[in-house]
Parts: sequence; C-alpha cells; structure tokens
Amino acid sequence: NAGVMQNPRHLVRRRGQEARLRCSPMKGHSHVYWYRQLPEEGLKFMVYLQKENIIDESGMPKERFSAEFPKEGPSILRIQQVVRGDSAAYFCASSPNQEGNQPQHFGDGTRLSIL
Amino acid sequence: AQSVTQLGSHVSVSEGALVLLRCNYSSSVPPYLFWYVQYPNQGLQLLLKYTSAATLVKGINGFEAEFKKSETSFHLTKPSAHMRDAAEYFCAVSDAGGTSYGKLTFGQGTILTVHP
Repeated sequence: NAGVMQNPRHLVRRRGQEARLRCSPMKGHSHVYWYRQLPEEGLKFMVYLQKENIIDESGMPKERFSAEFPKEGPSILRIQQVVRGDSAAYFCASSPNQEGNQPQHFGDGTRLSIL
Repeated sequence: AQSVTQLGSHVSVSEGALVLLRCNYSSSVPPYLFWYVQYPNQGLQLLLKYTSAATLVKGINGFEAEFKKSETSFHLTKPSAHMRDAAEYFCAVSDAGGTSYGKLTFGQGTILTVHP
C-alpha cells in the first residue's frame, strides 16, 4: 500500500502521559500536514512540515504539542502531558507540493483517547 | 483568511433521490476547492477538486460539483443516491498561489443518510 500510513490507529493514554503519533507520507511526497478532528467539529489544520523543517505551525497549541519530520523516518506529532481535551482523531495528509492545487492524501488517522 | 460553510449538518435522502450538499466559501484570493468523503473510522477520500479549470467538476462515484464565483458556492450533487453513499462529506478550500502553503480549511461536515 503506497498510501499515507499512520500508526497507531488507536492510542489510549492517561492524563499526564505523552502521546506520539507517526505518519509516513505517500511515496514521493515531501510535504506533510497534520489536522485534528475534535468530536462534533470539522478538521482543523495544526502544522505543515517539509523534510527537516516546520513551515507553518499556526494551528498548533503553543504548549505541549510539537511536530517533526526528520530526514529519515516518519513525521511525528508529540503531545506531552496529555489532558482530556486532547482526545480527538489526528489525521496526517501528504502532498507532492505546497501549491494547493494538488489534493492532499489522507491517512486513516490516529484516534487518541485520554483516560 | 479563508472559511467554509456547509449548510446542514445532516441531510437525509431516499435511495434513488437527488443528493445536494451545500458549500459556500470565503477567500480573499482565487480558491482551490475540494470535496472529501469520510466513512466511519477511516481517513478522508478525495471526491473531486476545482483548480480553476472547468467550473463543472466531475468526481468519483457519480458525484459532481459546480463552482459559482458569483455565489461563492461549490455545491456537491449526485443524481441518484445509493446506500453506499452514506458517509460524512467535507468541503475544503485552499488558496491558489501558495501563500498558505496549501493547507486546507474545512467546513463542519455534512452527514448524509440514505434510506431504503
């Protein structure tokens, strides 16, 4: 399967723990976007990365959240000291460019539940 | 700044009936527009896109949408609904020119229910 791969599909954490969400883009795509889908809400942009660079993190909460896309390996979205309000579905999408005219391809998401 | 409004969070139709899902957008620059479908516990699948070519866009699964600049709309239609069309549908916009790096702004979503 050459699509966007996200893991884990489901992640359960207790309040105060760390959550690490991984995303491998489609082959040939070097542009990665993370979105969050809260219950009863649409998807909200969080962060846009290229290899080794964060380009736009305007949608990311200022504290506890971080993202990276290393030269080798998947993109990682990290949430430290999770709270109940972090419970959501987190989607990764990849694109071959940042021009906006190419559709983004989405993974199946990671559903994060905080106990 | 961009925004998308989907009128109607829930739409219910009978199998074989016309499907119409409404989307209005706001953008300060020429937009690119997309419709995605999401089935339960899955990611988003692209139905169709408008990127400044033909204003009537045909997509997968018999869906189509028409870009109307004067009405700032991009409504999604399908002449005859199937049971398998039951899902949540999202309209999204990104701006042409890349000033927002291609990031998508989504509407709230419309859940389509199809009755036998």
